[in-house]
Amino acid sequence: DGGITQSPKYLFRKEGQNVTLSCEQNLNHDAMYWYRQDPGQGLRLIYYSQIVNDFQKGDIAEGYSVSREKKESFPLTVTSAQKNPTAFYLCASSMSTGENSPLHFGNGTRLTVT
Amino acid sequence: DAKTTQPPSMDCAEGRAANLPCNHSTISGNEYVYWYRQIHSQGPQYIIHGLKNNETNEMASLIITEDRKSSTLILPHATLRDTAVYYCIDEAAGNKLTFGGGTRVLVKP
Repeated sequence: DGGITQSPKYLFRKEGQNVTLSCEQNLNHDAMYWYRQDPGQGLRLIYYSQIVNDFQKGDIAEGYSVSREKKESFPLTVTSAQKNPTAFYLCASSMSTGENSPLHFGNGTRLTVT
Repeated sequence: DAKTTQPPSMDCAEGRAANLPCNHSTISGNEYVYWYRQIHSQGPQYIIHGLKNNETNEMASLIITEDRKSSTLILPHATLRDTAVYYCIDEAAGNKLTFGGGTRVLVKP
């Protein structure tokens, strides 16, 4: 079945360490996205990519970095510069970033930094 | 900030229709209305979207007012598994989509 795979489901890190979250899709979608969700809150856009080797900052990109070397993969690195990294991270994809193109989400990675 | 307004919560009786309202007063002519839902600790699930006309699929119906300033998501026969947070979004897909707080729907037996 086609879909989006995020791994791992839970991730624990010590403060000051960089950590990379994996996101893979086999839907042949051009566009991919990373969102952050804090408890009881909606989703906020971190980064998005419309095509391979291209990506744009979302609303809260500070302290994060991404790469898009392959169409299927869009890893997110949470750097030590991110002041409050503990959160639920969601990856999504869509056929394009235009209208009439719904997002498909993975089941998220819950990151805890202590 | 989210551009849509939804009630924070609502209850619904199992087997009855659930009508979820959304105001999107600043929507522009080429922006679709999207609905997603999120069950606890999972990723959001796409439900339905529309531009001007009412839409129906196997999950729900979407009623959009003629002026496009508001819409209603209808779950025709709510089940306990429909308990979730429902998000209404009015931005063009992918272009800085902003999810607000949504409506927390509790389906009761």
